[in-house]
Amino acid sequence: QVQLVQSGTEVKKPGSSVKVSCKPSGGTFSSYTICWVRQAPGQGLEWMGGINPIFDTADYAQKFQGRVTITADKSTSTVYMELSSLRSEDTAVYYCARGMSGDRRDGFDIWGQGTMVTVSS
Amino acid sequence: EIVLTQSPGTLSLSPGERATLSCRASQSVSSNYLAWYQQKPGQAPRLLIHGASSRATGIPDRFSGTGSGTDFTLTISRLEPEDFAVYYCQQYGSSFGPGTKVEIK
Repeated sequence: QVQLVQSGTEVKKPGSSVKVSCKPSGGTFSSYTICWVRQAPGQGLEWMGGINPIFDTADYAQKFQGRVTITADKSTSTVYMELSSLRSEDTAVYYCARGMSGDRRDGFDIWGQGTMVTVSS
Repeated sequence: EIVLTQSPGTLSLSPGERATLSCRASQSVSSNYLAWYQQKPGQAPRLLIHGASSRATGIPDRFSGTGSGTDFTLTISRLEPEDFAVYYCQQYGSSFGPGTKVEIK
């Protein structure tokens, strides 16, 4: 069973950027879309955007347009999510997740373990 | 952008009881691409239902999803101790509802 392995905990200053990685263990992404979802402490889930690593096509939630960039490195089968101009409200657990049927429309069947990002001066 | 609302916010039930969770969309959900997830504290969400009514791999048949258009329901026929958690709906692989917490009464 494929698992998604994310990079570790980050602590960042307001105004800086963070880049979180997501890589499948024991396999490649193949043609599955990978999305990013975040969850602030005690809050609900928020979809940020996603990418199809094979076609390198990304789309983003309107809320994060211009501040988030999702990229894929096919040589290492790694997907990255970079969030810029960080503010305290960006403190959250960031998850990567795989689109169940290749694209994201039908939900996410495999999730990473989550990466805690804390934004604090 | 489609906005999802879930009700109730919290559901207090006893093991063995039936749970009925509602998810309503501000516009019709395209091709019924509506998914349900379960999340327990400290864990990533787990996909329960996709396509409004299809159980994901390994999900017990006490979980069922119904609905179409703008109104969807997740039913847990008989609550097991491990079912007490927060449940989220999601449309078209993007926006999520605010969640329903199912707690032990």
